[in-house]
Amino acid sequence: QKEVEQDPGPLSVPEGAIVSLNCTYSNSAFQYFMWYRQYSRKGPELLMYTYSSGNKEDGRFTAQVDKSSKYISLFIRDSQPSDSATYLCAMSTGGGNKLTFGTGTQLKVEL
Amino acid sequence: ETGVTQTPRHLVMGMTNKKSLKCEQHLGHNAMYWYKQSAKKPLELMFVYNFKEQTENNSVPSRFSPECPNSSHLFLHLHTLQPEDSALYLCASSQDRGPGQETEAFFGQGTRLTVV
Repeated sequence: QKEVEQDPGPLSVPEGAIVSLNCTYSNSAFQYFMWYRQYSRKGPELLMYTYSSGNKEDGRFTAQVDKSSKYISLFIRDSQPSDSATYLCAMSTGGGNKLTFGTGTQLKVEL
Repeated sequence: ETGVTQTPRHLVMGMTNKKSLKCEQHLGHNAMYWYKQSAKKPLELMFVYNFKEQTENNSVPSRFSPECPNSSHLFLHLHTLQPEDSALYLCASSQDRGPGQETEAFFGQGTRLTVV
């Protein structure tokens, strides 16, 4: 069993849709949860960084962590074509150190 | 441009060549990392340096040799690689303030390596 499971997609949605991206994990020691966005031929760009359970909102993006279910989500409201990218979830026991990644979900937002 | 710069962006090398990848971070961080990203696989942590000292070697073959001369620079020396080593090699940095107090990691743009 992989430590972090993430549906690879591809996920295709119309512009303006609400997008829900998810990851599940098995290691209960994970405390820090991150979402990265990666455009083609680019490095991962940090979108959201959360500690423990709860919600965090930043503009059109909302990150949710449910440690009891070992489940994290990223919601994108009013999705735009510029949101088309691969979204990677990552987690660690100690912040930026030694991240464990999901495989990434490829998202395409169509006009 | 990000605070983590990697060169070269693309590299093609033969299996008998020796080459080096370079990473420089301008964020004042004290921890740096090498990750490998292969197609349809999660990013894999290769090496961790804290305060210039290697603290993690994630069972990486010896044909990959890291070097961290100071907290701002990180190298990955490559020799006698195999075609399956072709991947995107990513450098990252973070600030380590102690156990459980590391900040988030920021990545460079990566070096796309092709071994022929």
